[in-house]
This record gives sequence, C-alpha cells and structure tokens, in this order.
Amino acid sequence: GIQVEQSPPDLILQEGANSTLRCNFSDSVNNLQWFHQNPWGQLINLFYIPSGTKQNGRLSATTVATERYSLLYISSSQTTDSGVYFCAVEPRAYNTDKLIFGTGTRLQVFP
Amino acid sequence: SQTIHQWPATLVQPVGSPLSLECTVEGTSNPNLYWYRQAAGRGLQLLFYSVGIGQISSEVPQNLSASRPQDRQFILSSKKLLLSDSGFYLCAWGSRAVGTFGSGTRLTVV
Repeated sequence: GIQVEQSPPDLILQEGANSTLRCNFSDSVNNLQWFHQNPWGQLINLFYIPSGTKQNGRLSATTVATERYSLLYISSSQTTDSGVYFCAVEPRAYNTDKLIFGTGTRLQVFP
Repeated sequence: SQTIHQWPATLVQPVGSPLSLECTVEGTSNPNLYWYRQAAGRGLQLLFYSVGIGQISSEVPQNLSASRPQDRQFILSSKKLLLSDSGFYLCAWGSRAVGTFGSGTRLTVV
C-alpha cells in the first residue's frame, strides 16, 4: 500500500520562528489534506490541497503531485500552533475518499 | 454548517466488557462516515467507513464492529474488549474529502 512519510518527526521552536513540514507519499493521490491535532486531541482540517499552493493566514501549503510531496509552512509561529500536524492522502488506486495518514510532526512552540 | 457529536469523551472499561461508541452528524445528508483509531499519540488508522445506511467497510481485521442504523448515526461496538483496544477513537465525516472530526473518545481497557 501507499506509504506516507512526514518529516521531521519532532520540532521545537521559539515563538516567532518559521518552519517547514514535509510530507512524502509513494504513489499517485486524488487528494491530500493537512490536519492539526491540538494537545486536547481535536483534529482540525487545515488544507485540502491535492495540487498547487494555498494560504490561510500564517499557514500555507504546497503540493507537487508529480513529485509526490507536500509542504506545510508555518510563519511567525505562536504557542497555539503547538500540537501534531498530520498529512493524509487519498490514494488514486482506492477510488474512494478514504484517507491514509502519515505518522505526524510534533511541534512544540515555546514563548 | 456541519457539526459532529461524539460521546463519551473518556471511557474506562474492564477487559471482556462490551463497548458502544456513538457518533452523530448534523447539517448534512448522506455523508461518508469514518471511524479512526489513534494509538500512542501518533498516526490515525482507518477502522471502518460507511457510504450509506447499512453499508460498512472494514479496513483491518479486529475485535470491533461498526453499524450505521440511520443516515447520520455511526456506532462502533465490541462484544468483548481486549487490552489492545485501548486508544483514542475518532469519528469523522466527509463528502469528497474528510472534512470534520469529532472530539474523540479516549478508551482505556483495564
């Protein structure tokens, strides 16, 4: 089956710093989403981005489908950005909207 | 707007006891519904998904089952819990993409 790898596994930042999270996937996908899981476990959909670039405030994401990777940029990080960031893909071979999740990047932002 | 309700938030159950977790969705019709499990604070594993009433697909062999008795209701069950069933269970709904997750149930089997 498809492999979804995220890097780095852990990231520690001081407030105000910028960061880039990466998601590599091993096969063609119909869909790619980025999620943020806060320390209380709630998962929030950040981006639906099968290709191209999107921006939402301090966050932006880019997916290069032909090269099978996606990047999530966090600028001017805040303590509320802490949590785990997941990339999830819908493999083209499945032909459904089931998502396969990566193992996540755990981000800690300190004041 | 669509909302998803999941309860209970936490649950401690003895080994061998039954389980029933419920998820309901508001504000949408005929959604695709999903049950995910997260173990050890990392990585979500898809357990079940449903595209309609009575239609359940299982992703992994396990001690759990799912049912969808109504369009916007999705239930996760077990007849006898195992220690390995402990984890964080999340219900989600979506149409073309998985849009919204419930707040999750943290299950500890003791």
